[in-house]
Amino acid sequence: AQTVTQSQPEMSVQEAETVTLSCTYDTSESDYYLFWYKQPPSRQMILVIRQEAYKQQNATENRFSVNFQKAAKSFSLKISDSQLGDAAMYFCAGNTGGFKTIFGAGTRLFVKA
Amino acid sequence: DVKVTQSSRYLVKRTGEKVFLECVQDMDHENMFWYRQDPGLGLRLIYFSYDVKMKEKGDIPEGYSVSREKKERFSLILESASTNQTSMYLCASSLSDRVGRPQHFGDGTRLSIL
Repeated sequence: AQTVTQSQPEMSVQEAETVTLSCTYDTSESDYYLFWYKQPPSRQMILVIRQEAYKQQNATENRFSVNFQKAAKSFSLKISDSQLGDAAMYFCAGNTGGFKTIFGAGTRLFVKA
Repeated sequence: DVKVTQSSRYLVKRTGEKVFLECVQDMDHENMFWYRQDPGLGLRLIYFSYDVKMKEKGDIPEGYSVSREKKERFSLILESASTNQTSMYLCASSLSDRVGRPQHFGDGTRLSIL
């Protein structure tokens, strides 16, 4: 079985500061993919970043980067230079092959001006 | 860009009604999904389809059915709506050519059953 856990229901960050959202996952598979999705208020959910488990290098997309600790089963998202537009619900998700993607419960991020 | 369009943003129905939620994608994706999103529970998979006329149950299929007669369209049907089906419903699609393809989501339908 595969599980994805986000233990922070809410987080807040000051504009221009850095914030880290936590995620842990559990799977018995050796090949899997991890994702962070962003859902702004009343808007479409979009992919933020994707990590392939067999790659040791952490994925980076502009101000967004992940800290993938395979042994610790940790997959955290770091947002640098936070902007007001980063305020959203963030979902961590995992896929071990096949069709099913498992989503965490989500972390709501507030950005203070 | 991939476009996934859900027919309604907001919908209000009465208990016992048969409810149809429609989803259309324009990128020729093989896979389509219906999720239910509730606070504190994340996204839960109701049904998915990997080809026309093919469907598989997800984690919470009870009270729902689906239809995929054309590749671009995937419909979710609430056979007899109940108040515990009040929720946000998300449709998504993805390619099927390799493991780990990200999903593309619609705007969601917020459904209220009175």
